[in-house]
Amino acid sequence: GESVGLHLPTLSVQEGDNSIINCAYSNSASDYFIWYKQESGKGPQFIIDIRSNMDKRQGQRVTVLLNKTVKHLSLQIAATQPGDSAVYFCAENIYDYKLSFGAGTTVTVRA
Amino acid sequence: DADVTQTPRNRITKTGKRIMLECSQTKGHDRMYWYRQDPGLGLRLIYYSFDVKDINKGEISDGYSVSRQAQAKFSLSLESAIPNQTALYFCATSDFQGDGYTFGSGTRLTVV
Repeated sequence: GESVGLHLPTLSVQEGDNSIINCAYSNSASDYFIWYKQESGKGPQFIIDIRSNMDKRQGQRVTVLLNKTVKHLSLQIAATQPGDSAVYFCAENIYDYKLSFGAGTTVTVRA
Repeated sequence: DADVTQTPRNRITKTGKRIMLECSQTKGHDRMYWYRQDPGLGLRLIYYSFDVKDINKGEISDGYSVSRQAQAKFSLSLESAIPNQTALYFCATSDFQGDGYTFGSGTRLTVV
């Protein structure tokens, strides 16, 4: 079946470096993608979204890139901080805004 | 106050018991969802509702039921809880375009 997945389950990054979290999706009809951050004991928190008519979208310290040709989504975090340590999920709109989630990437920031 | 509130935050129940998880929202969104999260599996959709009169099954609805009591309230019930329903449960809301997709803080349910 079609699904959303993240390339790596864990990512360790030095404080101050940039982080790149990748996500591959297989549903070519998907038109809306969201990145979420989940801290321990909390619900997923919206980071940034992108629609399929865009290739790139920037937020505060975050950038999402969408490559529809290879069905790849990435989240870039600039100047990673200790507070960025969390699990990051990409989600794909599979139909009428019911989201399909990947398994998540755990990001650990080293001091 | 949180935009999406879930109660209880934690619950331990016995196999065979009926349990209800509640969700309320102040965002004014029409659409509400229930997701389940298991370690290593991400979030999976249980049920969703696009308005008060619209209830739909998600990918893992067996063993669950829902009730949309009002635009702001959407509850999830386990009619006869079983141990493999031990998980984190999240309620979410969105507007009709899917924007503003917001999650509650979750309910940690343990079935013993």
